Amino acid sequence: GAVVSQHPSRVICKSGTSVKIECRSLDFQATTMFWYRQFPKKSLMLMATSNEGSKATYEQGVEKDKFLINHASLTLSTLTVTSAHPEDSSFYICSAKKGLAGSTDTQYFGPGTRLTVL
Amino acid sequence: GQQVMQIPQYQHVQEGEDFTTYCNSSTTLSNIQWYKQRPGGHPVFLIQLVKSGEVKKQKRLTFQFGEAKKNSSLHITATQTTDVGTYFCAGADRGSTLGRLYFGRGTQLTVWP
Repeated sequence: GAVVSQHPSRVICKSGTSVKIECRSLDFQATTMFWYRQFPKKSLMLMATSNEGSKATYEQGVEKDKFLINHASLTLSTLTVTSAHPEDSSFYICSAKKGLAGSTDTQYFGPGTRLTVL
Repeated sequence: GQQVMQIPQYQHVQEGEDFTTYCNSSTTLSNIQWYKQRPGGHPVFLIQLVKSGEVKKQKRLTFQFGEAKKNSSLHITATQTTDVGTYFCAGADRGSTLGRLYFGRGTQLTVWP
């Protein structure tokens, strides 16, 4: 199979604090990982694409200094929401892809992290 | 830029009725993928279509990829309550060097018993 885990599954934090979310591919090496944000009953909004060992590519309108992405290994990517505010509350989902960077193979999604900023 | 439009946004059907969701891309795609997200869950890969005019079936689900590789559909025959969820199409841009997918907004399917 292709299993992707995310941790934590839920997090509640105070405004102004930073939150780190981990995304791991458990049984395969992920050349590319994607970070999405999903609002209630809405589609997936791609935030950034990260390839192992290189800087993430952020989508237009996504602040890279606010959403720090690190893809240090082929099985782990992290998203840090810095100085979180209530409007950052959302469902964050990562996905991981096998195959060559740039290929459009199947993406395997993690279970998501529900972030609530008070 | 690349856009993938998906309709309808919502569909409510009686159990046993058929259901179809449609996707249309502004540009030619290299492939299209379909995902299902159950309420409270995360997207799960269903299928990938690559060839022009391709049709694939998974039990009661039929997936089609248009001849021009710009549109696709998912048809469910005789829906069941287990089909409830949001179905997303995701198109892969031929010109993409990042391997990203462009997701449609999804069709939320409700099935009444």
